[in-house]
Amino acid sequence: NAGVTQTPKFQVLKTGQSMTLQCAQDMNHEYMSWYRQDPGMGLRLIHYSVGAGITDQGEVPNGYNVSRSTTEDFPLRLLSAAPSQTSVYFCASSYSSGGGGGYTFGSGTRLTVV
Amino acid sequence: AQRVTQPEKLLSVFKGAPVELKCNYSYSGSPELFWYVQYSRQRLQLLLRHISRESIKGFTADLNKGETSFHLKKPFAQEEDSAMYYCALRGQTQGGSEKLVFGKGMKLTVNP
Repeated sequence: NAGVTQTPKFQVLKTGQSMTLQCAQDMNHEYMSWYRQDPGMGLRLIHYSVGAGITDQGEVPNGYNVSRSTTEDFPLRLLSAAPSQTSVYFCASSYSSGGGGGYTFGSGTRLTVV
Repeated sequence: AQRVTQPEKLLSVFKGAPVELKCNYSYSGSPELFWYVQYSRQRLQLLLRHISRESIKGFTADLNKGETSFHLKKPFAQEEDSAMYYCALRGQTQGGSEKLVFGKGMKLTVNP
């Protein structure tokens, strides 16, 4: 039981490049979400999914796309990276969207856009 | 409105001192609150939730609806308590789904 696995752990991109951050969970959680963590800003919700085939926007969705083709995977795509997207990205999953049982977080992806 | 406010960004205490990490919330419904902890360069993990009324690693938190607060307390801090602490509220997205709303976090440093 690996929990929530995020890859890569670190990434440096040039402005304008695209990439996909991977997130996979093996707990059969219906709810998955992506947050970004910035100093002094806490965690902000980017996108979330309440089940396979269903996604929706969070607080800061611009510049990011997601899809949920399976229960296990929830990749986050940066379409055209910008320096403002330099951040630490966390994927989280839970049995329910409200996190009554607590969210399980991945170990994070530290992204730098130059 | 649904908002979580952690008024202090930093708290530094000596080992053995009491600590209180403040959290205030704004929510029109029945609140459900959590504390998450993030040790240095590690993933966030659930510390405790108010509905469980539990004590984890010596920490407790009581929901005070009158003061709309959910402060985290520990009578005797330990060096291993040094971490970022996030208070979170079970809120709702614009799409009607539930979500966790996080405060901006507070860094606790426990000095030897």
